[in-house]
Amino acid sequence: LAKTTQPISMDSYEGQEVNITCSHNNIATNDYITWYQQFPSQGPRFIIQGYKTKVTNEVASLFIPADRKSSTLSLPRVSLSDTAVYYCLVGSGTHNAGKSTFGDGTTLTVKP
Amino acid sequence: ETGVTQSPTHLIKTRGQQVTLRCSSQSGHNTVSWYQQALGQGPQFIFQYYREEENGRGNFPPRFSGLQFPNYSSELNVNALELDDSALYLCASSLGQGQAGELFFGEGSRLTVL
Repeated sequence: LAKTTQPISMDSYEGQEVNITCSHNNIATNDYITWYQQFPSQGPRFIIQGYKTKVTNEVASLFIPADRKSSTLSLPRVSLSDTAVYYCLVGSGTHNAGKSTFGDGTTLTVKP
Repeated sequence: ETGVTQSPTHLIKTRGQQVTLRCSSQSGHNTVSWYQQALGQGPQFIFQYYREEENGRGNFPPRFSGLQFPNYSSELNVNALELDDSALYLCASSLGQGQAGELFFGEGSRLTVL
């Protein structure tokens, strides 16, 4: 299962766009890239998933370059409530993704 | 709300005791994965159950064991509790093998070992 590397922390201000990058150099052909958000004392919550190029939903965009060795989660116009820990997870389907260890994630702090 | 429920939400045990944590998976999901999350760290994979069989295990000792029932709910059992077992225990349910999609997490069970 692919190991991921993310920055430990990031700071931003309300209304700014935030980009968090995850490195996954040994991603396998069948692997998807999934991002989760976690608030203190709660379970992680799904944000977005992609395989290649760009995926967008109502809360975020995910950019994946052609070599798929990294991915960038983009949060448009963040608010204070986006302060949380963000994890990227790599695995082929939910079975293998479910066997992944999340790493320490990126703690995003949004300031007023 | 993910539809995944865990119980109890909080509990306190002493060293050497045993604990059982429970997880009801989301309707239609046949896979449950369990995680241990220590304070300030990401979730660490303990094991996964698929259709009542263990389907992968992380780096945890045998005193961590589990079950999955025919309705796909699951239990995590920890014997001979140690102080380092204090953590948030999370379960996540998902659909079967090979499918993309999300893991649905419960809110966790906070275990404190004194």
